[in-house]
Amino acid sequence: EAAVTQSPRNKVAVTGGKVTLSCNQTNNHNNMYWYRQDTGHGLRLIHYSYGAGSTEKGDIPDGYKASRPSQENFSLILELATPSQTSVYFCASGDANWGRTQYFGPGTRLLVL
Amino acid sequence: GQQVQQSPASLVLQEGENAELQCNFSTSLNSMQWFYQRPGGSLVSLFYNPSGTKHSGRLTSTTVIKERRSSLHISSSQTTDSGTYLCALESLGSKLSFGKGAKLTVSP
Repeated sequence: EAAVTQSPRNKVAVTGGKVTLSCNQTNNHNNMYWYRQDTGHGLRLIHYSYGAGSTEKGDIPDGYKASRPSQENFSLILELATPSQTSVYFCASGDANWGRTQYFGPGTRLLVL
Repeated sequence: GQQVQQSPASLVLQEGENAELQCNFSTSLNSMQWFYQRPGGSLVSLFYNPSGTKHSGRLTSTTVIKERRSSLHISSSQTTDSGTYLCALESLGSKLSFGKGAKLTVSP
């Protein structure tokens, strides 16, 4: 089974500060994804990547940047954090072949004060 | 609007009862996936089901493309089945669009 880890697991940030969420996967999947989960909205896709050096905008990219420096690592960057970005963030990885499932990390709880 | 409509939003059962969860989708389907999420936990894949019926233990997933719906049936529910069940529509680029989830509570 694919192993996806996230760090930090919990984060408290101040409004206007910079936050970087990190994700690492050890199963050599090409695709990686960042989601946020909020009550009443379910999971929503922020950014995704098809491989090292590539990033694509998801459904709600505003206020977020992403970076994929290697096959294993995918970061989500909040340059100027706002309270509306308080949420639980999940990273996932998946096989590039059509129709394969995604494997999720444990999540990061972010509180922006 | 929301591509995936999931129902019910919550369900309370006595142990041993069956559960039926539904997802309806409004766009072209490439596959429907079902996930389980423990309270406060991560997501675990239950089914990848582009069409037809699939079984896994007490769980059954059925996707009917023409009717734009997918269901998850849990038979003989147990307290350990409690949690949130999410369906997700897979589109081009292996992107997933999630339903809002169904919270299942199974009482002893």
